Amino acid sequence: KNQVEQSPQSLIILEGKNCTLQCNYTVSPFSNLRWYKQDTGRGPVSLTIMTFSENTKSNGRYTATLDADTKQSSLHITASQLSDSASYICVVSDNAGNMLTFGGGTRLMVKP
Amino acid sequence: NAGVTQTPKFQVLKTGQSMTLQCAQDMNHNSMYWYRQDPGMGLRLIYYSASEGTTDKGEVPNGYNVSRLNKREFSLRLESAAPSQTSVYFCASRGAVAKNIQYFGAGTRLSVL
Repeated sequence: KNQVEQSPQSLIILEGKNCTLQCNYTVSPFSNLRWYKQDTGRGPVSLTIMTFSENTKSNGRYTATLDADTKQSSLHITASQLSDSASYICVVSDNAGNMLTFGGGTRLMVKP
Repeated sequence: NAGVTQTPKFQVLKTGQSMTLQCAQDMNHNSMYWYRQDPGMGLRLIYYSASEGTTDKGEVPNGYNVSRLNKREFSLRLESAAPSQTSVYFCASRGAVAKNIQYFGAGTRLSVL
């Protein structure tokens, strides 16, 4: 069964600090991996998307890495802001783009 | 540009009641999706429509029906609601290329008593 596991489940950091969220997946066939940000009470919003040939992709203070050999991805947040408080969801897509496997998310809280 | 719009935002039903969740997108996307999100779990696909006129089951289709009314609209119907269907429901849409991201609506929070 396709699975996406994320760690940690929750994380509290101080404003201005960096953090790294982890994602391990067992999804086949693999097309691409996405990181979404979901604010409380809102739908997920895409942060990055990477195919198996891409190792790193950045979006402002967010940098995602992908190791297709070990089937691991990470999302690094630099100089955190209070607005980064949200759930971050790792999602792996099949070739057609219809069947996505979602991780359970990491709930990040940034405190002043 | 509203993106993906879901109605209603909140709904409370009694067991056995029926209702339809509405979803509309204004991005001219071919594919549309319905998911449910439960605490501690990832989003799970209920049904999807890869193009106008087609629908397919996802991971958890039991107890639901869908209608792709036209290219813009994709509705989800609960014929006889059960407490196990208490969840947050998200509609999403995607353009034609497989790599294209899915755009999500704000969600419908449903409670079945």
